[in-house]
Amino acid sequence: DAGVIQSPRHEVTEMGQEVTLRCKPISGHDYLFWYRQTMMRGLELLIYFNNNVPIDDSGMPEDRFSAKMPNASFSTLKIQPSEPRDSAVYFCASTSGASEQFFGPGTRLTVL
Amino acid sequence: AQSVTQLGSHVSVSEGALVLLRCNYSSSVPPYLFWYVQYPNQGLQLLLKYTTGATLVKGINGFEAEFKKSETSFHLTKPSAHMSDAAEYFCAVSGLITGTASKLTFGTGTRLQVTL
Repeated sequence: DAGVIQSPRHEVTEMGQEVTLRCKPISGHDYLFWYRQTMMRGLELLIYFNNNVPIDDSGMPEDRFSAKMPNASFSTLKIQPSEPRDSAVYFCASTSGASEQFFGPGTRLTVL
Repeated sequence: AQSVTQLGSHVSVSEGALVLLRCNYSSSVPPYLFWYVQYPNQGLQLLLKYTTGATLVKGINGFEAEFKKSETSFHLTKPSAHMSDAAEYFCAVSGLITGTASKLTFGTGTRLQVTL
């Protein structure tokens, strides 16, 4: 298996632009998680899905952030409009049931 | 509610020396405990996990951790550090509820430096 796939690996954009991050979980995994990592706040869980349904989005910082999972093999995290304080590394992870989470390589987002 | 405390944001050891990274947790349900490692510019990789059963857990790269319920601890150790162990290490707790996956709560991480 290729593991969790994220794209793009790096994204540089200007303040106010829309940013879309993509994730393909490991085949057969029914849970998908989006995290954000910054020096100041560490690893934060933003949202997670079970069987494509959002279960807990309490970590989403504000309405500018949205996430979707249209099918079992694809999820997006969108920021619109983006702001410099959104600069971070965004990780996607997947798991099947009560097991460890498998992380993707992350997307490093820089908002200028 | 769950929480994780990692004592020491930075730990420096000499190559060949013992590695000890501390983790204490708080959980209202029987915890599942994890240690992840993150190398520069990479995602998190599982080192080891405790679910049930044997309290001493062995992981990859010679690491092990012991679950001590009385101390609410899950410290990570390695007898002899190698230069390649330099990375950031995260302890995490998951509260299992009726067989469903639960979200992980991560500690703030400990950066391990290995010197010659």
